[in-house]
Amino acid sequence: GAGVSQSPSNKVTEKGKDVELRCDPISGHTALYWYRQSLGQGLEFLIYFQGNSAPDKSGLPSDRFSAERTGGSVSTLTIQRTQQEDSAVYLCASSHEQGAGNQPQHFGDGTRLSIL
Amino acid sequence: SQKIEQNSEALNIQEGKTATLTCNYTNYSPAYLQWYRQDPGRGPVFLLLIRENEKEKRKERLKVTFDTTLKQSLFHITASQPADSATYLCALYNQGGKLIFGQGTELSVKP
Repeated sequence: GAGVSQSPSNKVTEKGKDVELRCDPISGHTALYWYRQSLGQGLEFLIYFQGNSAPDKSGLPSDRFSAERTGGSVSTLTIQRTQQEDSAVYLCASSHEQGAGNQPQHFGDGTRLSIL
Repeated sequence: SQKIEQNSEALNIQEGKTATLTCNYTNYSPAYLQWYRQDPGRGPVFLLLIRENEKEKRKERLKVTFDTTLKQSLFHITASQPADSATYLCALYNQGGKLIFGQGTELSVKP
């Protein structure tokens, strides 16, 4: 009965390094979402997956950001050549199906990313 | 342009009173609207969903209204408790198939 799990919970890295963030959705949830939340701000949509495909990548801020999902389950968000403005909390959510606004999203507690 | 606006100022109320939070939107025609609660250092937690053809939805001490003419949703917590202190987020489901979140309103309930 586990919820959405994200790792690491905190990540501190130097500017220019690559980072990889992981999300384990609730078992059986076909839709998976990534958001970014800066201090005191709302959630900024990044990308969603329906199964293993990502129909909408429009929220990715730059080509340094990429995401993949394998086996319809675990997803990784990769940020290459990190910049200080990438510092934020990265949240992952899953739901039973995408495109159904009547489905609640279940969130993990996020990865707090700090770029020095 | 499309916007979702929630009270940016924190709402401070006394225990036992009713808290009312506002979510206004422009240039959207959402079929659904959702409310979430977020505690510091945690991810948002789903509270309630209301459909465009529903005027009001209740769950225990929570009540949500949805006025598609005014383009506004109100979120009420009756008999508020200090444990209700958190940030509350509204989210619209748009036709693009994703939830768009407001920036949230921080609620503080004083004993």
